[in-house]
Amino acid sequence: DSGVTQTPKHLITATGQRVTLRCSPRSGDLSVYWYQQSLDQGLQFLIQYYNGEERAKGNILERFSAQQFPDLHSELNLSSLELGDSALYFCASREGTTDTQYFGPGTRLTVL
Amino acid sequence: SQQGEEDPQALSIQEGENATMNCSYKTSINNLQWYRQNSGRGLVHLILIRSNEREKHSGRLRVTLDTSKKSSSLLITASRAADTASYFCATDDYGGSQGNLIFGKGTKLSVKP
Repeated sequence: DSGVTQTPKHLITATGQRVTLRCSPRSGDLSVYWYQQSLDQGLQFLIQYYNGEERAKGNILERFSAQQFPDLHSELNLSSLELGDSALYFCASREGTTDTQYFGPGTRLTVL
Repeated sequence: SQQGEEDPQALSIQEGENATMNCSYKTSINNLQWYRQNSGRGLVHLILIRSNEREKHSGRLRVTLDTSKKSSSLLITASRAADTASYFCATDDYGGSQGNLIFGKGTKLSVKP
């Protein structure tokens, strides 16, 4: 158990819909990273938050957005979903002293 | 874009044998991390090696790093069936300085009992 929690575990939805994925980092970690894992693109960094502020952006689509709340949990919002958005979405939190990133169990999103 | 490339893409061995996986990357790094992923599940952190380190051990794992060749290797000794998983190397985005990881495509290891 990494200490990072993600909900829900599975999500099945239809094209055009909007979903919200939730992540709680390990106690004491201020950074949250979101990654997408798909068969064709592999594991790709989407976005990072540190103590409530956006710090870095990767290959994140404009239809996707995220935020980190004062209690440090983070939400990833995916809208106007397409079939190609079906993937595993992971969040990770980073231990400040060692730079190690600990990953949550992931949310498997299926868009039908 | 992918930073690292693991080699081989797939590896099948017998229990008790050693497994070696290699990773090559393209740009300068601060550190390199190895992760394990059981089928469709979360990523488990195995080991982090910094750019000024050449070798690191953790239990049955041995990681080496050669920054001049931009490569790393992960050795699992005396493998077990439970080691069956995909293994990924990940480098930090050196230029980005925010620590986001860039992953390779992984090596799929199968350990037969």
